[in-house]
Amino acid sequence: KAGVTQTPRYLIKTRGQQVTLSCSPISGHRSVSWYQQTPGQGLQFLFEYFSETQRNKGNFPGRFSGRQFSNSRSEMNVSTLELGDSALYLCASSLVDRNTGELFFGEGSRLTVL
Amino acid sequence: TQLLEQSPQFLSIQEGENLTVYCNSSSVFSSLQWYRQEPGEGPVLLVTVVTGGEVKKLKRLTFQFGDARKDSSLHITAAQPGDTGLYLCAGVGTSYDKVIFGPGTSLSVIP
Repeated sequence: KAGVTQTPRYLIKTRGQQVTLSCSPISGHRSVSWYQQTPGQGLQFLFEYFSETQRNKGNFPGRFSGRQFSNSRSEMNVSTLELGDSALYLCASSLVDRNTGELFFGEGSRLTVL
Repeated sequence: TQLLEQSPQFLSIQEGENLTVYCNSSSVFSSLQWYRQEPGEGPVLLVTVVTGGEVKKLKRLTFQFGDARKDSSLHITAAQPGDTGLYLCAGVGTSYDKVIFGPGTSLSVIP
C-alpha cells in the first residue's frame, strides 16, 4: 500500500514569490492535514481538508491556503513568501477515526526562502 | 487553546541506558499519540493510547496515558542507537477538531 506522497521534496524560492505544494494521501484516506515544522516552533497545524472542504484551520495568515480535490489529493499554496516561511511542510492523511485520529505523514517538502 | 509540553527537550544517553520522556497538558484529550521522526523523514506513529491509565508496550518501549487523560509518558529500556530521533506526542481534542503536537524530545543514543 503506497504511503503519503509529497512533491516537490525540496525547493528554493525568493521573497515575494509564491509556492504550491502537493500531497497525495494513502488510498482510501479522505482527510488531509498540513503542518509546518520549524526548529523553533515545532509542528504547527495549518489546516485540514475532508471531502474537498476545509474543516479546521490553524493560526496562520491568509497567505497560506489550500484545497482538496475530489480524489482526495491536496495542494497548499503560500503567496508573497517571507524568509520566515522557510520550513518543512508536512502533509498527513487519515481515515478519520474519531477515537484515535491517527495520522500518516509524508516525507515533507522542504522550502527555503532566500 | 490546548497545549502540550514535553520534557526533556534534549536527551543524550549511552547505549543500554533507560530513559523516560514526558508529555503534559492542562487539557483533556480523547486520545494521545506518540510519533518518532528521523532526520529528513516525516513522523511515524508508534502508538495511540485512548483510555485513562492505559499502558501499552512495544518491544522495549512502554507508553502510559495518565488517569485524567492529560499526560503521558514514554519509557525506553536499554536504549539502542536505532532509537535516536525526535519523539513527538500529539493530542486529539475531545471534539476531534485537530491533532495538536508537542514540541518534541530529541533523543541521541551514543554507541
